[in-house]
Amino acid sequence: GENVGLHLPTLSVQEGDNSIINCAYSNSASDYFIWYKQESGKGPQFIIDIRSNMDKRQGQRVTVLLNKTVKHLSLQIAATQPGDSAVYFCAEGRSGGYQKVTFGTGTKLQVIP
Amino acid sequence: EAGVAQSPRYKIIEKRQSVAFWCNPISGHATLYWYQQILGQGPKLLIQFQNNGVVDDSQLPKDRFSAERLKGVDSTLKIQPAKLEDSAVYLCASSQGGAAGHTIYFGEGSWLTVV
Repeated sequence: GENVGLHLPTLSVQEGDNSIINCAYSNSASDYFIWYKQESGKGPQFIIDIRSNMDKRQGQRVTVLLNKTVKHLSLQIAATQPGDSAVYFCAEGRSGGYQKVTFGTGTKLQVIP
Repeated sequence: EAGVAQSPRYKIIEKRQSVAFWCNPISGHATLYWYQQILGQGPKLLIQFQNNGVVDDSQLPKDRFSAERLKGVDSTLKIQPAKLEDSAVYLCASSQGGAAGHTIYFGEGSWLTVV
C-alpha cells in the first residue's frame, strides 16, 4: 500500500540557519508531492508542491527536492525564523479518476532563538 | 477569499454519545475531504466527495461514521456512537479538483474529546 513517512520526528535548528526536512515515499505512481505546515491549533497550510517530472522547485525561502531514484523528498527552508516553528508534513498525490492525497507522519521543527 | 469553515471548534462528549461536525468549503471547490488527525500523526482521509458524490470512503468506519454533502456544497460528518479512540481533530478540506488544481485547503479543525 501507500506509505509516506519522515526520517526525523523532531528537528531543532538555530534561528538564521537553514533547515532540511526529509521524507521517504514508496508509491512510484504518485504524480505530485506536497509540503504542508501545521502550526499548533491550526489546520495544515500548503507550502509548496512539485510534480513527479521535476527534481527541484523553489519558492520564497523554500526549496523542494525530489529524488525519484531513491524515492526521497526534502524541504529546505533558508534562514529559518521563529515563525517557521511548526509540524511539517509531506504528502503524495495521484491524479486520475480523482485526486488522492496521502499524508506522512510529520516532522516537528523547533527554531532556537 | 473566505477559507474552509468548520464548526464546532471544540466538542467534549461521553462515549456512546453522538456528535456532528459541519463544514463549508471554499466557494467553487468541487472536492471536499474529511480527515481525522490523531495527536502526533498526519491527517488520515476518512471520506472524499467530488461534488455531491463519494469517491473514496475506504477508511471510514461505516458502522459508526457517516457523512453527507448535500447539493455539492456543505458537508456534515457524524459519529454515532462515539468511542474513546475517536478523540482527534476532524479536518475538513477542499480543492478545486481535477486538472484545475490539486492544492488542498484545510479548515481549522473540529477538536473532539470523548470521555
